[in-house]
Amino acid sequence: NAGVTQTPKFQVLKTGQSMTLQCAQDMNHEYMSWYRQDPGMGLRLIHYSVGAGITDQGEVPNGYNVSRSTTEDFPLRLLSAAPSQTSVYFCASSYTGLAQETQYFGPGTRLLVL
Amino acid sequence: GDSVTQMEGPVTLSEEAFLTINCTYTATGYPSLFWYVQYPGEGLQLLLKATKADDKGSNKGFEATYRKETTSFHLEKGSVQVSDSAVYFCALSDESSYKLIFGSGTRLLVRP
Repeated sequence: NAGVTQTPKFQVLKTGQSMTLQCAQDMNHEYMSWYRQDPGMGLRLIHYSVGAGITDQGEVPNGYNVSRSTTEDFPLRLLSAAPSQTSVYFCASSYTGLAQETQYFGPGTRLLVL
Repeated sequence: GDSVTQMEGPVTLSEEAFLTINCTYTATGYPSLFWYVQYPGEGLQLLLKATKADDKGSNKGFEATYRKETTSFHLEKGSVQVSDSAVYFCALSDESSYKLIFGSGTRLLVRP
């Protein structure tokens, strides 16, 4: 049981490049989400999904796209990277996303946009 | 909207000292409250939680009590260890949404 896995661990992009951050979980969780972590700002929700084929926006969705074709995977796409997207990105999952559930986090992807 | 405010760090303590990290929240409904911990170079993991007023969450010697009257969920530990050095996040999840809202985090450094 690997839990929540993320790839890559670290990535450097140039402004305008695109990339996909991968997230997978093997706990059969319906709910998955993406956060970004910036100094002094805690974690902010980018997008989330309550099941395959269902996604919705979080607090800071601009510049990011998501899709959920399987229960296991929830990739995050940056179509045209900007320096403001330099951050640490965390994927998380839980059984259904209900308020009282524990969220399980991946190890993070550190992204630097030059 | 819902929000979480926690004390700014860093908090520096000597081993075996008493720890308090303050957390207050604003929410319109009846949220669940969490403390997550992030050790250096790792993702977040749940430390403890409380899902209704007056509940006390506890784990690894840490405790926090859900105080609705003061909208607080302060984290305490009676005797900290060097291994407790980490960043601690207070968070809430409102019953009406699928969103987890975090405070800004408090870095704790425990010196031997």
